[in-house]
Amino acid sequence: DGGITQSPKYLFRKEGQNVTLSCEQNLNHDAMYWYRQDPGQGLRLIYYSQIVNDFQKGDIAEGYSVSREKKESFPLTVTSAQKNPTAFYLCASRLGGGANQPQHFGDGTRLSIL
Amino acid sequence: AQSVTQLGSHVSVSEGALVLLRCNYSSSVPPYLFWYVQYPNQGLQLLLKYTSAATLVKGINGFEAEFKKSETSFHLTKPSAHMSDAAEYFCAVSDRVQGAQKLVFGQGTRLTINP
Repeated sequence: DGGITQSPKYLFRKEGQNVTLSCEQNLNHDAMYWYRQDPGQGLRLIYYSQIVNDFQKGDIAEGYSVSREKKESFPLTVTSAQKNPTAFYLCASRLGGGANQPQHFGDGTRLSIL
Repeated sequence: AQSVTQLGSHVSVSEGALVLLRCNYSSSVPPYLFWYVQYPNQGLQLLLKYTSAATLVKGINGFEAEFKKSETSFHLTKPSAHMSDAAEYFCAVSDRVQGAQKLVFGQGTRLTINP
């Protein structure tokens, strides 16, 4: 079945540590997105990528980094510069083309601080 | 820039009652609008989308939404609530920024179903 796979489902970070969240899609979608979800704040866009080897900052990119070396993969690194990383992280992808194309989401990774 | 407002962060209805979740949008161009549902500890699942083909849009799980341009609204309804409808619901509008297509989400509405 086609879909978006996020791993791990739960992740713990120690102080000063970088951690990487994986996002893989086999939908042949062009665009990929990372969101952060906090209780009562909806979804906030961290980074997005429209094509391979290109990505742009979203609304809350500070303390995060991404890469897009392959069409199907868009890993997110939460760096030690992100002082409040505890949140639910969602990856999404979207077929290119018109604005009527919806985004499809993975099942998320919950990151907590040890 | 486009924006979305969901009225009511929490809505509670009885099983079998009408569900109405409100969404108002702000857009300078004809909008593309979406409703998503999120169950606990899961990602978002597309319920339905408005793409200007018809003002009344039917989605999955018996939900539908009506686009009203004069009211800038896209409210989500279901005639009869089921316990399995308990979840968080997000309204979103498609926005184009610097050539990229992004979704702008509302803050979400948590729906509780009372037995």
